[in-house]
Amino acid sequence: EPEVTQTPSHQVTQMGQEVILRCVPISNHLYFYWYRQILGQKVEFLVSFYNNEISEKSEIFDDQFSVERPDGSNFTLKIRSTKLEDSAMYFCASSDYSRTTEAFFGQGTRLTVV
Amino acid sequence: ELKVEQNPLFLSMQEGKNYTIYCNYSTTSDRLYWYRQDPGKSLESLFVLLSNGAVKQEGRLMASLDTKARLSTLHITAAVHDLSATYFCAVVEYGNKLVFGAGTILRVKS
Repeated sequence: EPEVTQTPSHQVTQMGQEVILRCVPISNHLYFYWYRQILGQKVEFLVSFYNNEISEKSEIFDDQFSVERPDGSNFTLKIRSTKLEDSAMYFCASSDYSRTTEAFFGQGTRLTVV
Repeated sequence: ELKVEQNPLFLSMQEGKNYTIYCNYSTTSDRLYWYRQDPGKSLESLFVLLSNGAVKQEGRLMASLDTKARLSTLHITAAVHDLSATYFCAVVEYGNKLVFGAGTILRVKS
C-alpha cells in the first residue's frame, strides 16, 4: 500500500542551527502538507503546497520556515535558526485532487532542539 | 476562524462498556475526519464523513456526522484494550487545510 515516508525519524539539533525535514509523498498525489504536534498538544497546520507553490500557510509558518519540492518526489520543510519551542513532531501529509480524498500522514519526524 | 472542540479530553473506560466522543465545530465544512494516534506514532485515518447524516462503522467504532448541528460523534461499542489510543477529529476549513480537535485520550481498563 502506498505510504508517505519521512526522514529522519528523529533529529536533534542545536538551537540556532538550520534543519531540513524530508518527505516523500504518495506518488500520484498533488497536494502536500506539513503539520506539527508539540508534545501532548493537538496537531497544528503549518502549510499546504500545490502546483509548486504554497497554497495556504498558518500564522506559525513565518519567515523562519520554508518548503520546497526540489525534484519530482521529495517535499522538504526547512527551519532556519531553530528555537527551543520548535521542538515537536512534524508530520508530512499528501492527498490527491479529489474532494472526497483524505490526507495520508507520514510517520513523523521528532525534532528536538537543545 | 474554524474552531474544533472535542470532549471528553480524557476517557477511562472498562472493557465491555460503551461510550461516545463528541466533536463540535464552529463553521460550515464539507468534510470531517477521525484519526487514531498511538503514543509516538503517526495519525491513522479511521473515517471520512462527507455529508449530513453520514454514518460509518468499522469494528467497534462508529462515526456519524450532523452538519446542521456541526457535530460528529465517535461511538465505541464494547471497548477492548486494543482501542486505547488518542482519537482526533479534524475538520476541513478551506482548501485542504485540516483543523484538529485537541484529541481524546482513551484508556480501556481490563
